[in-house]
Amino acid sequence: GAVVSQHPSWVICKSGTSVKIECRSLDFQATTMFWYRQFPKQSLMLMATSNEGSKATYEQGVEKDKFLINHASLTLSTLTVTSAHPEDSSFYICSAIFADRWFFGSGTQLSVL
Amino acid sequence: SQQGEEDPQALSIQEGENATMNCSYKTSINNLQWYRQNSGRGLVHLILIRSNEREKHSGRLRVTLDTSKKSSSLLITASRAADTASYFCAINPGGSYIPTFGRGTSLIVHP
Repeated sequence: GAVVSQHPSWVICKSGTSVKIECRSLDFQATTMFWYRQFPKQSLMLMATSNEGSKATYEQGVEKDKFLINHASLTLSTLTVTSAHPEDSSFYICSAIFADRWFFGSGTQLSVL
Repeated sequence: SQQGEEDPQALSIQEGENATMNCSYKTSINNLQWYRQNSGRGLVHLILIRSNEREKHSGRLRVTLDTSKKSSSLLITASRAADTASYFCAINPGGSYIPTFGRGTSLIVHP
């Protein structure tokens, strides 16, 4: 079946630095990918929709200058958390649709010190 | 809220018992999906049930959908310790292809 690969699985960084998370569709092309954020024991909250070759669509309340999304190819979307702060610490998950089903990456646990 | 809401929030059972989780929602839907998430991992798709379907099976999983009551249930039969995970329902509100998730049910199966 379709596979979505997300990297890295976890990252620890200092406050003020930027962190890039990659999401790849391994055996299918994804013109659209989605980025979610999840706090412990909470639901997945959609942050933004990443569109290949065009600007991402951000959900209300999500700072687009804070969470930069680039979808440069049909198999790769990246989320960059700029000038990370401790409140950005969270679990980030990407997903893509294939054959009417949603496939998710394994997630990235971000810890900002 | 357009998201599904799972019930109970937490469920603890012994291996071999059945586990039932419920999902309620408020809007019309195109389909409802159930996902599993192991701690610190991504989501794994379990079952998709369309709005015109009432029941689906997949191995030890059985999903029902009652659109009149706007509710769905996920039954895991003969549970195993490896079934320990969080289970989420996701709905596709009418007119949207983007699923929205509830908070999930945390299932613990004791060996």
